[in-house]
Amino acid sequence: QVHLVQSGSELKKPGASVKISCKASGYTFSTYPMNWVRQAPGQGLEWMGWINTNTGNPTYAQGFTGRFVFFLDTSVSTAYLQISSLKAEDTAVYYCVRDLGGYCGSSSCYGAAPPGNWFDPWGQGTLVTVSS
Amino acid sequence: QSVLTQPPSVSAAPGQKVTISCSGSSSNIGNNYVSWYQQLPGTAPKLLIYEDNKRPSGIPDRFSGSKSGTSATLGITGLQTGDEADYYCGSWDSSLPAVVFGTGTKVTV
Repeated sequence: QVHLVQSGSELKKPGASVKISCKASGYTFSTYPMNWVRQAPGQGLEWMGWINTNTGNPTYAQGFTGRFVFFLDTSVSTAYLQISSLKAEDTAVYYCVRDLGGYCGSSSCYGAAPPGNWFDPWGQGTLVTVSS
Repeated sequence: QSVLTQPPSVSAAPGQKVTISCSGSSSNIGNNYVSWYQQLPGTAPKLLIYEDNKRPSGIPDRFSGSKSGTSATLGITGLQTGDEADYYCGSWDSSLPAVVFGTGTKVTV
């Protein structure tokens, strides 16, 4: 069975950094792109971008450049999201999600089909709370 | 701010049917696939429908998806109390470019 298991909740002070892990199992990790989605308290879903699990090349959505970094440790089939210079508005649940609509090669994971057609499964989510 | 618009809430009695609309534009729904997600209280979203109308393995046929022009619809028949959740549509927006999600609809049974 395919699973994405994320690290536990984090409580951080403004200005600190946080690293969230997303460990995949049940499939070949480097085959499908990993996307990240944010959900602020009581709010909807917001796409953050994706990472090519074959090459490690990240693509960030607008609004998620600079302080947000996606990276991998393919030896343990794990994707990471690191957020630096945390702000109160970063308080949210962060989800990793596999995109079955992509196939990761040496250049990109998306050819004719763009991201987002087939997000499955989702990790259980990691709550990051930023508070002084 | 979401670019896909959904009704805030819908409700129906057990056993009845509900439909949830998702309104977009030619840059998203009109020219890209739509997917639908169910988010039960306190849990992660779960894929219900992908590529407009396809159900992943394990999703009952009580859930269906359709699309016409720049709008999509999720239908749920034979409503059960376990269907009470938030439902989101999603699509690629070619003009942004980004994956965009709907505003979300709370289903009450």
